[in-house]
Amino acid sequence: NAGVTQTPKFRILKIGQSMTLQCTQDMNHNYMYWYRQDPGMGLKLIYYSVGAGITDKGEVPNGYNVSRSTTEDFPLRLELAAPSQTSVYFCASSHTAGGETQYFGPGTRLLVL
Amino acid sequence: GQNIDQPTEMTATEGAIVQINCTYQTSGFNGLFWYQQHAGEAPTFLSYNVLDGLEEKGRFSSFLSRSKGYSYLLLKELQMKDSASYLCAVRDQQAGTALIFGKGTTLSVSS
Repeated sequence: NAGVTQTPKFRILKIGQSMTLQCTQDMNHNYMYWYRQDPGMGLKLIYYSVGAGITDKGEVPNGYNVSRSTTEDFPLRLELAAPSQTSVYFCASSHTAGGETQYFGPGTRLLVL
Repeated sequence: GQNIDQPTEMTATEGAIVQINCTYQTSGFNGLFWYQQHAGEAPTFLSYNVLDGLEEKGRFSSFLSRSKGYSYLLLKELQMKDSASYLCAVRDQQAGTALIFGKGTTLSVSS
């Protein structure tokens, strides 16, 4: 049981490039989330999904897109990378929307130059 | 809207007790979480409160007062490995199922 896995661990992008951050969970969780964390700041929600085929915007969705074709996978797409997207990206999942905690992946560190 | 406040930094010594406070303002409170995050790592779950009162889990306890919009995390018998950021997060019904996080409190434990 690997939990939540993310790839890559670290990436450097040039301004205007595109990339996809991968997130996979093997806990059969319905709920999945993408957060970004800037230095000295809390986590901010980018997008979330309550099940396959259903996604919704969070607090900071601009510049990102997501899809949820399977229960296991929730990729995050950056179409035109900008320096403001330099951050650490965490994917998380939970079984329900209630009191159960969210389980976080190890994070992807992205640097846009 | 939502707002979560917690101190930026705290320091303490090994063996001591430290209390990290969190105040929040939400329109549809539906639970409060505390996470621990070591530098360069992912957040890990510590505690969950949805009703008023104290939840105890080993060396860590968390308290909630919904009427005051206030919670605290109490860490006893501090150890060096407790040096980390502690994140207060609130689930707001109007924000769906996701959590709204505070900026975190960086705790430094010295010998």
